[in-house]
Amino acid sequence: QQQVKQSPQSLIVQKGGISIINCAYENTAFDYFPWYQQFPGKGPALLIAIRPDVSEKKEGRFTISFNKSAKQFSLHIMDSQPGDSATYFCAASTTSGTYKYIFGTGTRLKVLA
Amino acid sequence: GAVVSQHPSRVICKSGTSVKIECRSLDFQATTMFWYRQFPKQSLMLMATSNEGSKATYEQGVEKDKFLINHASLTLSTLTVTSAHPEDSSFYICSAREGAWYGYTFGSGTRLTVV
Repeated sequence: QQQVKQSPQSLIVQKGGISIINCAYENTAFDYFPWYQQFPGKGPALLIAIRPDVSEKKEGRFTISFNKSAKQFSLHIMDSQPGDSATYFCAASTTSGTYKYIFGTGTRLKVLA
Repeated sequence: GAVVSQHPSRVICKSGTSVKIECRSLDFQATTMFWYRQFPKQSLMLMATSNEGSKATYEQGVEKDKFLINHASLTLSTLTVTSAHPEDSSFYICSAREGAWYGYTFGSGTRLTVV
């Protein structure tokens, strides 16, 4: 019940295309859903996050879509660029207690020039 | 924004020695920090929760005596890998949360190689 399932494992997109990464969770107590971007040899960096009271959040080229009833959320990267090539992790946590993140397994995105 | 500094970025040590990794919150106080381990092409595995002024809480399967965590101040947590062996070679990352904000800031990670 603590798992966060992420797909696909890897993704190749042409420059200018849309990259879509999906995550699903089971624990209905989760109420904070961030996405992190990680480059090789670096720590993850927060991209965007959403709480269950909204169905969509957009920041620049990055959009989170959230479906509370389906317990799914996804990251859309519009106008994907070669510089977006990285590993993306979704996560889920509660906003009470120790706020521990449960991470997805990661998606390696490659954007072709 | 919140910045978490992790040091060293890379360390090579001999088998049987101990290595200390530091994690500092530079512009905020962090009562809670987390330590993760990451194997190549894998996700982040939570090792322990570091609480300022109290004992760390370790995840199941993590050896407390091998991975010593100290959170002596609101801006510094350290992870000491004791009697390191080649299987301890990995990428270690810390994270911290600023105040009531839900998002965690991660350090840049430490690549540990035990030879």
